[in-house]
Amino acid sequence: DIQMTQSPSSLSASVGDRVTITCRASQGVSNYLNWYQQRPGKAPKLLIYAAFTLHGGVPSRFSGGGSGASFTLTISSVQPEDSATYYCQQSHTPPHTFGQGTKVE
Amino acid sequence: EVQLVQSGADVKKPGQSLKISCKASGYSFTSNWIAWVRQMPGGGLEWMGMILPRDSDTRVSPSFEGQVTLSVDTSLTTAHLEWRSLKASDTATYFCARHSTRGELDYWGQGTRITVSS
Repeated sequence: DIQMTQSPSSLSASVGDRVTITCRASQGVSNYLNWYQQRPGKAPKLLIYAAFTLHGGVPSRFSGGGSGASFTLTISSVQPEDSATYYCQQSHTPPHTFGQGTKVE
Repeated sequence: EVQLVQSGADVKKPGQSLKISCKASGYSFTSNWIAWVRQMPGGGLEWMGMILPRDSDTRVSPSFEGQVTLSVDTSLTTAHLEWRSLKASDTATYFCARHSTRGELDYWGQGTRITVSS
């Protein structure tokens, strides 16, 4: 299985801060890398797919980057509604493993 | 509008069987893989497996191989996740989600919470 490792595990930010989350794969996944947001008690929502493509309706303050085995999710100016846990996922090779999550407070 | 609506929460005893469902609407059900994702209490997301409704081609994570069965009923546009003998460690919320072009999960069900306790 491809292992996905996110850092940090949690972070605290103030409104307007720039926040970056890193995701590393144990082997190359090309750009088959997706990011999800999950608020407590809710289903995850797709934010970014194919490493940097924003899913429909996602605010432009979210952006993705990277390729191969190292990726980032950036929130350019964090807002109160961005409090959530963020997960990366590789969809290059089954099982399509997730990272352990990063909690943004 | 694409929607995935899952069956309701359930409480079972160890050793009992269970089949939960995921009703899809708003798109061509046979065209997209459906994935199942587990989230244990306080835990992260775990990809369990996926099934292609067109031909029931299935890929299951080694972590769940032999523990669950994925199936579909194309006449009802519904996917199922089934256990033959539940364990306490199966207590979790289970999500179904639709695979899109690059394997991203673009639409999710609301989740089904399963509690297994004696």
